[in-house]
Amino acid sequence: GAVVSQHPSWVICKSGTSVKIECRSLDFQATTMFWYRQFPKQSLMLMATSNEGSKATYEQGVEKDKFLINHASLTLSTLTVTSAHPEDSSFYICSAPNSGRRSYEQYFGPGTRLTVT
Amino acid sequence: QKEVEQDPGPLSVPEGAIVSLNCTYSNSAFQYFMWYRQYSRKGPELLMYTYSSGNKEDGRFTAQVDKSSKYISLFIRDSQPSDSATYLCAMSVSSNNDMRFGAGTRLTVKP
Repeated sequence: GAVVSQHPSWVICKSGTSVKIECRSLDFQATTMFWYRQFPKQSLMLMATSNEGSKATYEQGVEKDKFLINHASLTLSTLTVTSAHPEDSSFYICSAPNSGRRSYEQYFGPGTRLTVT
Repeated sequence: QKEVEQDPGPLSVPEGAIVSLNCTYSNSAFQYFMWYRQYSRKGPELLMYTYSSGNKEDGRFTAQVDKSSKYISLFIRDSQPSDSATYLCAMSVSSNNDMRFGAGTRLTVKP
């Protein structure tokens, strides 16, 4: 099946610094990728939709200037958490739909655990 | 009220038991219903999906959707320790993204 990778798998950073998380589709092209955030024992919350070659679409309440998304190619989307604070500590997961582009045919990455100290 | 409600558990059953996992929702426009399994510190993997109402069976897994009650279920027969994971329900209005997830139910199957 289709594979989506994320890098890094975990990262610890100091408050005020920026962190970049990569999401790659390894064996298919993805013009759209999605970024989710998951707090412990809570649901996945869609943060934004990343579109190759155009601006990302952010969900209500998500600060676009804090969570910078760049979809530079058909296989890579990056999420940069700028000026990170402890409350940004979470599990960040990306997903990408396959060529069928139906919602259930999304492939999720393994996630990136961010801890801000 | 959350759009999708799911009891987070935890739920613990003996090996071989039948497991019933459920979600309720408030948005009657949802048409696509999915169940994902998520192991600790891993991304979710799709188990089953159902379009509109009805039942769907795949091996030991059965998904049911009752749109009139806004209620979906996942049944696991002959549960195995390897089924221990968090199970997330998800649903969407259209065939593009915009999935809404339940909180996930943590299941433990004891040998």
